[in-house]
Amino acid sequence: EAGVAQSPRYKIIEKRQSVAFWCNPISGHATLYWYQQILGQGPKLLIQFQNNGVVDDSQLPKDRFSAERLKGVDSTLKIQPAKLEDSAVYLCASSLGRSGSYEQYFGPGTRLTVT
Amino acid sequence: AQSVTQPDIHITVSEGASLELRCNYSYGATPYLFWYVQSPGQGLQLLLKYFSGDTLVQGIKGFEAEFKRSQSSFNLRKPSVHWSDAAEYFCAGGFTGGGNKLTFGTGTQLKVEL
Repeated sequence: EAGVAQSPRYKIIEKRQSVAFWCNPISGHATLYWYQQILGQGPKLLIQFQNNGVVDDSQLPKDRFSAERLKGVDSTLKIQPAKLEDSAVYLCASSLGRSGSYEQYFGPGTRLTVT
Repeated sequence: AQSVTQPDIHITVSEGASLELRCNYSYGATPYLFWYVQSPGQGLQLLLKYFSGDTLVQGIKGFEAEFKRSQSSFNLRKPSVHWSDAAEYFCAGGFTGGGNKLTFGTGTQLKVEL
């Protein structure tokens, strides 16, 4: 079974530029998550999708971050414009999304450096 | 508020020694709990999980964890550590009715001395 795929793996941009990350979850997983992991911290949930609907985006800085999951499969996360404090690893995870199947499976992440 | 706490930021053990990483949780309802491992430059890999039932759970790579309700703990253990176990370990928790969300601890960095 293929795991969660993410691209790119690394990205370096200057502040005020824009950037987009892509995630392809495990086949059949209804729930998709985007996390931000700052160095030395645990992952922090940015947004959670159930199929193509948003379940929770309370921690997403909506003035600069946006995310979509148009067909309930792949997802993109965009930052525009980027700030220095956005430097972090962006992790995508997926889960079956059914009661009793709570474990989340993570992709390798995208390491973003904003200079 | 629900929370997961990992009291130890760094732990160093000698190869072959036993290991215990601490995790405490604060949930009103019975939580479900996980341990994940993250190697440098990698995503998080699921080591083991607890939902209900048997409080001692076995995971991959020889790890186990014990759910202790009286102590609000879910500590990770391994009887003999290998150099390849050096990584960062995260405890995470959620609860039924919580919307399939996880709260992560801040992580414990494990160093293994040869």
